[in-house]
Amino acid sequence: TQLLEQSPQFLSIQEGENLTVYCNSSSVFSSLQWYRQEPGEGPVLLVTVVTGGEVKKLKRLTFQFGDARKDSSLHITAAQPGDTGLYLCAGLEGANNLFFGTGTRLTVIP
Amino acid sequence: NAGVTQTPKFQVLKTGQSMTLQCAQDMNHEYMSWYRQDPGMGLRLIHYSVGAGITDQGEVPNGYNVSRSTTEDFPLRLLSAAPSQTSVYFCASSSSVPTYGVPLTDTQYFGPGTRLTVL
Repeated sequence: TQLLEQSPQFLSIQEGENLTVYCNSSSVFSSLQWYRQEPGEGPVLLVTVVTGGEVKKLKRLTFQFGDARKDSSLHITAAQPGDTGLYLCAGLEGANNLFFGTGTRLTVIP
Repeated sequence: NAGVTQTPKFQVLKTGQSMTLQCAQDMNHEYMSWYRQDPGMGLRLIHYSVGAGITDQGEVPNGYNVSRSTTEDFPLRLLSAAPSQTSVYFCASSSSVPTYGVPLTDTQYFGPGTRLTVL
């Protein structure tokens, strides 16, 4: 059983469309991070959410941390081809273990 | 400032061979970790280190050994490669140690990855 389940696993949309990606768990996290990974490269941190109910915006990307701190979402407005990549959420489990979700692979078609 | 570097970029091994994946960082980070990435599985933690001389197991440690003799280097050793170890391996580092119950404050910096194939 995956600690962090992400949905959908794959998403293919047209440029200009909006989308939401979800990260869910049965565990409570003190914080969650979102990363984006491009082909042939390592993941790059996008944002960290800490407080339940917190909303953070990064240009066209909006991140929300669930009130109970068990889930998070990433919403992209007016997607662009440059948003294409693998989106990963991550949270702490155990003493020092940073666990990653299963990932959502996004393709934005021009 | 090179960040996190990994060598080699690609490697092909035969079953039973051994090898070491190199990882180095020049940011004086205390925390370093190794992940493997397989299709549909996201990133899975293999081993991590909270400082020189200190290592611990992650989610999938079997078949892998690590050591941390310096702050900068964190090599990952495969003692007897198996086809199940075919994967992309990422090394990461951060300035502070992720601690349960404490909000994450620092970025995990990842290397470019090593693509390993075991035949």
